[in-house]
Amino acid sequence: SYVLTQPPSVSVAPGQTARITCGGNNIGSKSVHWYQQKPGQAPVLVVYDDSDRPSGIPERFSGSNSGNTATLTISRVEAGDEADYYCQVWDSSTDLYAVFGGGTQLTVL
Amino acid sequence: EVQLLESGGGLVQPGGSLRLSCAASEFSFSSYAMTWVRQAPGKGLEWVSALSGSGGSTYYADSVKGRFTISRDNSKNTLYLQMNSLRAEDTAVYYCAKEGGGSATPIDYWGQGTLVTVSS
Repeated sequence: SYVLTQPPSVSVAPGQTARITCGGNNIGSKSVHWYQQKPGQAPVLVVYDDSDRPSGIPERFSGSNSGNTATLTISRVEAGDEADYYCQVWDSSTDLYAVFGGGTQLTVL
Repeated sequence: EVQLLESGGGLVQPGGSLRLSCAASEFSFSSYAMTWVRQAPGKGLEWVSALSGSGGSTYYADSVKGRFTISRDNSKNTLYLQMNSLRAEDTAVYYCAKEGGGSATPIDYWGQGTLVTVSS
């Protein structure tokens, strides 16, 4: 089965740029989606199809995907960005199913 | 605004059964595939099952295949998850979620979740 690997944690100071990676075999050939989850809340889609933003998501959130790594970039990080972030793809290698990365806890120092 | 409201969670003994429901509103329910995702306490997200808009195609994670059944009633705008032979490791918050439409689309809306606890 397809595996997505994320760093368990990333720390960044307010106003700086946070980069959260998602590794997978030839992930650049897949569409990657990113979700933000704050404690006690449901996940929220923040980036889809590698680099598009849903309406209402700040431009500070962006994404890229190439080779074996997809990256979620959060510019000018704010305290309110502190959350868990998950990457996700659909894997059709055996049967169509969703795969999530293990999640990255973003801490704003 | 899309709304997804789960119900049916609770405490069940190992080996028992439970049926989750998800009432959907403010979108054309039958036009979209729907998904269940779960999250064990303190753990990450785990995809459980998905169902096409017509209900004709179903998909399951290996961890629940043969024990869980996903279904929908498009006349009632409701998604279901029948869970049988429950195990302690099925303990989690279960989220009902809407897919964006098309292939490889994101999960664009999530319910608030319902907690299932499997314990004696």
